[in-house]
Amino acid sequence: AQSVTQLGSHVSVSEGALVLLRCNYSSSVPPYLFWYVQYPNQGLQLLLKYTTGATLVKGINGFEAEFKKSETSFHLTKPSAHMSDAAEYFCAVGAPGGNEKLTFGTGTRLTIIP
Amino acid sequence: EAGVVQSPRYKIIEKKQPVAFWCNPISGHNTLYWYRQNLGQGPELLIRYENEEAVDDSQLPKDRFSAERLKGVDSTLKIQPAELGDSAVYLCASSGGRARETQYFGPGTRLLVL
Repeated sequence: AQSVTQLGSHVSVSEGALVLLRCNYSSSVPPYLFWYVQYPNQGLQLLLKYTTGATLVKGINGFEAEFKKSETSFHLTKPSAHMSDAAEYFCAVGAPGGNEKLTFGTGTRLTIIP
Repeated sequence: EAGVVQSPRYKIIEKKQPVAFWCNPISGHNTLYWYRQNLGQGPELLIRYENEEAVDDSQLPKDRFSAERLKGVDSTLKIQPAELGDSAVYLCASSGGRARETQYFGPGTRLLVL
């Protein structure tokens, strides 16, 4: 069984400040990990993913995340927040090798303060 | 390349009425997923297809929900009869090719049951 916990349902940061969105996972097998972003009234857009190899992965729009097996974490960061980053962010875990279902966290709403 | 297409985008119905959602996946993607996203939550898988075969429908409420993917391309999800608790966003996703672990989502259908 797999599960995801996103700490903080709402996060506010000032424009230009560091963005840190937290994700912890539970998985009985080596996980594939994903971050998706959802803008209002839109579907989910992939930001980045970890499957195997390098544990620091870079995604679109300046975001990156680091897979830490010992901490079962996959936190999302961005050095400098932009107003356009305001959205809902979802962390998800999937099984390796595959195209099976993703298990999502409950999401974190990111607000950018001008 | 066209993304995942869903229609309608919005639907308002009275309880006990039937409703259907349509999804056309990305061309060449063999795997198609239907997720339901309740307000303030992450998406949850309803059903997964490999070509025309439903390989995971364990979370589909089969007393009122049905789905089909007759030719292994587009898919229809139906609810009959709809209940108030079915109000949610219904998301379709597809995956395939070399990066088959990556799911691409459509914009979703927002259903309101009155």
